[in-house]
Amino acid sequence: AQSVSQHNHHVILSEAASLELGCNYSYGGTVNLFWYVQYPGQHLQLLLKYFSGDPLVKGIKGFEAEFIKSKFSFNLRKPSVQWSDTAEYFCAVGEGFQKLVFGTGTRLLVSP
Amino acid sequence: GAVVSQHPSWVICKSGTSVKIECRSLDFQATTMFWYRQFPKQSLMLMATSNEGSKATYEQGVEKDKFLINHASLTLSTLTVTSAHPEDSSFYICSAIVSDYNEQFFGPGTRLTVL
Repeated sequence: AQSVSQHNHHVILSEAASLELGCNYSYGGTVNLFWYVQYPGQHLQLLLKYFSGDPLVKGIKGFEAEFIKSKFSFNLRKPSVQWSDTAEYFCAVGEGFQKLVFGTGTRLLVSP
Repeated sequence: GAVVSQHPSWVICKSGTSVKIECRSLDFQATTMFWYRQFPKQSLMLMATSNEGSKATYEQGVEKDKFLINHASLTLSTLTVTSAHPEDSSFYICSAIVSDYNEQFFGPGTRLTVL
């Protein structure tokens, strides 16, 4: 069975700091990986996804993630965070874009 | 992007009653929708896959007789929590697949509190 681990439950950063959120997955087959963001009071939105090809994936709002197959990881990064990045971030693995298995989420608080 | 709505956004009910939650795709047709449940401080857990015109596919451990799913049209799926109990209190989220976008679009969620 698929599983996803997000090791950082809460992260607090100052504006302009760099961000890296860890995500490790467990799945034996071909993986499709996603990062979703949930801003306060809003619904989940897709930040980026990896299906195949270049393991460095660029998403919206300056986010990127790197798929490292040997480490079963798909860490999310942003070089310089803004206060508006305060949100909860979910890593997910799925069969195509269906049957998603989510991690427990990481709450990011960016202080101005 | 595509918009998915849910109604109601929150509901409080008495133990033993049934509650219906609607999930609508507002500007597209969705042949497949998903229902998730999120307990406090936990991740979203897939409950079932809802296919228009056919029976829903439930994940292991989800009682299909308790969580009734109906996907009667290409824009509407409903989840009915029957004989609700306090342990059913949770945040229920639906999503819909938009094939052209190759992704799921999520609704805003429905918070159910069973007293």
